[in-house]
Amino acid sequence: GQNIDQPTEMTATEGAIVQINCTYQTSGFNGLFWYQQHAGEAPTFLSYNVLDGLEEKGRFSSFLSRSKGYSYLLLKELQMKDSASYLCAVRDNAGNMLTFGGGTRLMVKP
Amino acid sequence: ETGVTQSPTHLIKTRGQQVTLRCSSQSGHNTVSWYQQALGQGPQFIFQYYREEENGRGNFPPRFSGLQFPNYSSELNVNALELDDSALYLCASSRQGTYNEQFFGPGTRLTVL
Repeated sequence: GQNIDQPTEMTATEGAIVQINCTYQTSGFNGLFWYQQHAGEAPTFLSYNVLDGLEEKGRFSSFLSRSKGYSYLLLKELQMKDSASYLCAVRDNAGNMLTFGGGTRLMVKP
Repeated sequence: ETGVTQSPTHLIKTRGQQVTLRCSSQSGHNTVSWYQQALGQGPQFIFQYYREEENGRGNFPPRFSGLQFPNYSSELNVNALELDDSALYLCASSRQGTYNEQFFGPGTRLTVL
């Protein structure tokens, strides 16, 4: 079966750093994706991890530990526009299905 | 803008009716995946099409069916609509390969009354 868990909501302050965690238990694994989704809009790609370690991309970083079934998305220098839902998704072995977590709604306050 | 378009934007149907949703993939992408996203939840995989064939299916009943055309655009058909089918339907296009990042369209908001 597929199970992906992430916190439902988080609140952080503008300029701060926030870490959104994702744990997964899946029957197959061929990469983990993070997407950002603003209300009423389509998800947009943020990052991809397939090997253990940290991937950095500007203000956003993503970490993966395959042995622990764990990932996190780190957002630095938070801006008001970062208020959105953040979706963690695992790709299956065949490479064609993404299983998403329920999403973490991040609210950035002044 | 991802280059993926969907139509219509919004749709209202009644229980028992049938609906067809359309998706045009990004230029150069040969794979289309469809997802259902209920309010406040993450997207759920319905199925994927590659080279006009179904290439993987999630846990959805047979009344959810699809097509892919030679130009890689795709349709999602849902028969015998139920109230629980009310959701945002997202399509995502990609290229087959080891990376195959999926680019999402803006979605179709379906309401079943």
